Amino acid sequence: DIQMTQSPSSLPASVGDRVTISCRASQSISTYLNWYQHKPGKAPKLLIYSASSLQSGVPSRFSGSGSGTDFTLTISSLQPEDFATYYCQQSYRTILFTFGPGTKVEIK
Amino acid sequence: QVQLQESGPGLVKPSQTLSLTCTVSGGSISSGGYYWSWIRQHPGKDLEWIGYIYYSGSTYYNPSLKSRVTISVDTSKNQLALTLRSVTAADTAVYYCTRGVRSMDYFDSWGQGTLVTVSS
Repeated sequence: DIQMTQSPSSLPASVGDRVTISCRASQSISTYLNWYQHKPGKAPKLLIYSASSLQSGVPSRFSGSGSGTDFTLTISSLQPEDFATYYCQQSYRTILFTFGPGTKVEIK
Repeated sequence: QVQLQESGPGLVKPSQTLSLTCTVSGGSISSGGYYWSWIRQHPGKDLEWIGYIYYSGSTYYNPSLKSRVTISVDTSKNQLALTLRSVTAADTAVYYCTRGVRSMDYFDSWGQGTLVTVSS
């Protein structure tokens, strides 16, 4: 299995902050990396696919970067609606997709 | 915009079979270019991919669950189904149905999820 880790697990932040979340794969996955946002009781939402491509309709303050084993999700200026948990997911091995443990962006 | 809605019993007894349905609206489950997947999240834990099915009927399952799981589609009802046999408390989770985009391999649509508790 390809193991995914994320850091930090919790991220206290304020509106307007620049937020960076890291995701690491246990082996190289090229750019087969997707990011999701999840709010309690709601459907998870795709933000970024293929490491850096912005899903249609997602605000441009979200961006992704990285390749190989190390990836980053950045929110350039945190908005009130961005407080949520963020997950990375590898799609390199399509017969066994795996997700990171999540990073909860919380109000500082 | 495709929408997915999971349904099924919220409580299942140990050793019994968990059966969930996902109703797809706003798009056909028979559309090429997509696969239909189940993903679960144990309380306070990671998301775990269970498996997926193409409209053609081909299926792929997580090896850790393969012996107990079946995913199927009913194209006449535009529904996806999950069957998980011989459940234990470890199968307590929120279950999500999702649509995956073939060739890009991301999940672009998710249901809101349904909590299934395994308990006597």
